Amino acid sequence: SQQGEEDPQALSIQEGENATMNCSYKTSINNLQWYRQNSGRGLVHLILIRSNEREKHSGRLRVTLDTSKKSSSLLITASRAADTASYFCATDALLSYNQGGKLIFGQGTELSVKP
Amino acid sequence: GAGVSQTPSNKVTEKGKYVELRCDPISGHTALYWYRQSLGQGPEFLIYFQGTGAADDSGLPNDRFFAVRPEGSVSTLKIQRTERGDSAVYLCASSLSSAVGNEQFFGPGTRLTVL
Repeated sequence: SQQGEEDPQALSIQEGENATMNCSYKTSINNLQWYRQNSGRGLVHLILIRSNEREKHSGRLRVTLDTSKKSSSLLITASRAADTASYFCATDALLSYNQGGKLIFGQGTELSVKP
Repeated sequence: GAGVSQTPSNKVTEKGKYVELRCDPISGHTALYWYRQSLGQGPEFLIYFQGTGAADDSGLPNDRFFAVRPEGSVSTLKIQRTERGDSAVYLCASSLSSAVGNEQFFGPGTRLTVL
């Protein structure tokens, strides 16, 4: 079963605009990660934010985490056509620190950046 | 260095047949994960190995699904008596260890189609 919801399911923007994707989850977590997937195949890890962090940056990516609302957002600034892909958030369950790291994914946001 | 590889990239089979899907993890990675992704959905956890043993197989949908990792490296996911509902992309990932928070590196997936 999926951990939670991602919003929007699809997003279409022009190059240069910012893209914001949101993720909500159900259970307490250790970490939340964002992945990117092109053409329905392998996933690429983008960024990890720990449960005691509120914001993290990596290049044009900014991730926020609100554990009280069980939600996260991914902001891509100055988007490029090459950013077109599906984006997924993934969480692990806070059962114990060494629970095996299995990830529970959201349903994803399909981002289309038009040149 | 080489990433995670999966073979075959595509597999078409008939209902009722047996299939094997192979995953070669990154060398030195002790943890290996299998996920299944249906069209328009996020990946769903199936099973993970720490070394040779299956540490968590709670995601396997039923007893037609089985996975092995006999030498702690290559893993094979086996599906007996395939059904049309088994059609999906099967993703494999590996990480340095199964500790929570370790980045998982994904392979390109095997697209299984059951006719």
